[in-house]
Amino acid sequence: AQSVTQLGSHVSVSEGALVLLRCNYSSSVPPYLFWYVQYPNQGLQLLLKYTSAATLVKGINGFEAEFKKSETSFHLTKPSAHMSDAAEYFCAVNSWGKLQFGAGTQVVVTP
Amino acid sequence: GAVVSQHPSWVICKSGTSVKIECRSLDFQATTMFWYRQFPKQSLMLMATSNEGSKATYEQGVEKDKFLINHASLTLSTLTVTSAHPEDSSFYICSAKSGASTDTQYFGPGTRLTVL
Repeated sequence: AQSVTQLGSHVSVSEGALVLLRCNYSSSVPPYLFWYVQYPNQGLQLLLKYTSAATLVKGINGFEAEFKKSETSFHLTKPSAHMSDAAEYFCAVNSWGKLQFGAGTQVVVTP
Repeated sequence: GAVVSQHPSWVICKSGTSVKIECRSLDFQATTMFWYRQFPKQSLMLMATSNEGSKATYEQGVEKDKFLINHASLTLSTLTVTSAHPEDSSFYICSAKSGASTDTQYFGPGTRLTVL
């Protein structure tokens, strides 16, 4: 079965600093991987997805993620954090048509 | 594109009553819809998968007689929480996708249910 693990339940970053959210996957088949963002009391918004094309995936709001098979990782980055990036971020893997979510990482952006 | 709506966005009901939540795909046909439950500061827990015109498939531990799911059309799925109790209070989120099993799921804005 496919699964993902997000390292770090909370990340605090200064405005303008690099945002790095870690996600490692476990999959017996080539995975389809996703990053979603959730703002308080809202649903999930797709940031980006990896579907076995380019290993560096660019998403919305300046986010990107790199698929590294050798490290079984799909970390999410943004070069310069903005106050509006404060939210919960979920990594997910497609598993037989369903999404398996990580536990989530809460991002706090400080001025 | 790929917009999913939910109605209502929040609902408060008395214990023992039933509550219906609607999930609609506004600009695409959703062959599959999913219902999730999310507790505060936790990840999403998949409750069930519904395919248009078929019975929903429930995840282990989810009571199908309590959480009734109907997916009568390619743009609408409903979740009815029957005989609601305070422990059913939660944030319910639906998602929808079209086509292949690997297609992206698009999520609704969620429904906050509070049972008094």
